[in-house]
Amino acid sequence: AQSVTQLDSQVPVFEEAPVELRCNYSSSVSVYLFWYVQYPNQGLQLLLKYLSGSTLVKGINGFEAEFNKSQTSFHLRKPSVHISDTAEYFCAVSRRDYGGATNKLIFGTGTLLAVQP
Amino acid sequence: GAVVSQHPSRVICKSGTSVKIECRSLDFQATTMFWYRQFPKKSLMLMATSNEGSKATYEQGVEKDKFLINHASLTLSTLTVTSAHPEDSSFYICSARDSSSLTDTQYFGPGTRLTVL
Repeated sequence: AQSVTQLDSQVPVFEEAPVELRCNYSSSVSVYLFWYVQYPNQGLQLLLKYLSGSTLVKGINGFEAEFNKSQTSFHLRKPSVHISDTAEYFCAVSRRDYGGATNKLIFGTGTLLAVQP
Repeated sequence: GAVVSQHPSRVICKSGTSVKIECRSLDFQATTMFWYRQFPKKSLMLMATSNEGSKATYEQGVEKDKFLINHASLTLSTLTVTSAHPEDSSFYICSARDSSSLTDTQYFGPGTRLTVL
């Protein structure tokens, strides 16, 4: 079974400062990795995903994440945050099935990024 | 990009009544849709996997007779909360997997806020 750990429930940061949101996963099989963002009272929007290839993945809104297989991590980073980045961020994992099966997403508990002026 | 809609966005109902929530993939076909429940300040909990033309697969602990799922077409899945009670009040989010995509990417709807009085 897979699991996802987001150790930081909340990350306060000042505007224009860099930020890193941590995500670690556990799995006995190969996985796909995702970061989603959720604004208040809205659904989830895909920020970026790692499927294969380059371990550095660039997403929307200036975010990027790096897959580190040895540390089983997929931390999300942004060099300079804006007030509008304030939202809940979820890391998720799904089992990598070469047969193309429908795999469930397992979510972490989320990290609230609170950007302060 | 892939768009998933949900209707209604908010619903308030009396205890004992049933409520139907629709999830539609607007610009792609989805043989598989997922239904999640999200409690305040919590992560998403997968309730069930909805497969077009067949019975849904429910996660452990989810009452299938209470949360009826129908996936009658490649673009529509419905979740009916039967005999709703106040403890069913929650934010329900659906997602749809693009059947034409080789990757395991789910696109999320904007969510439905259910309040049971």
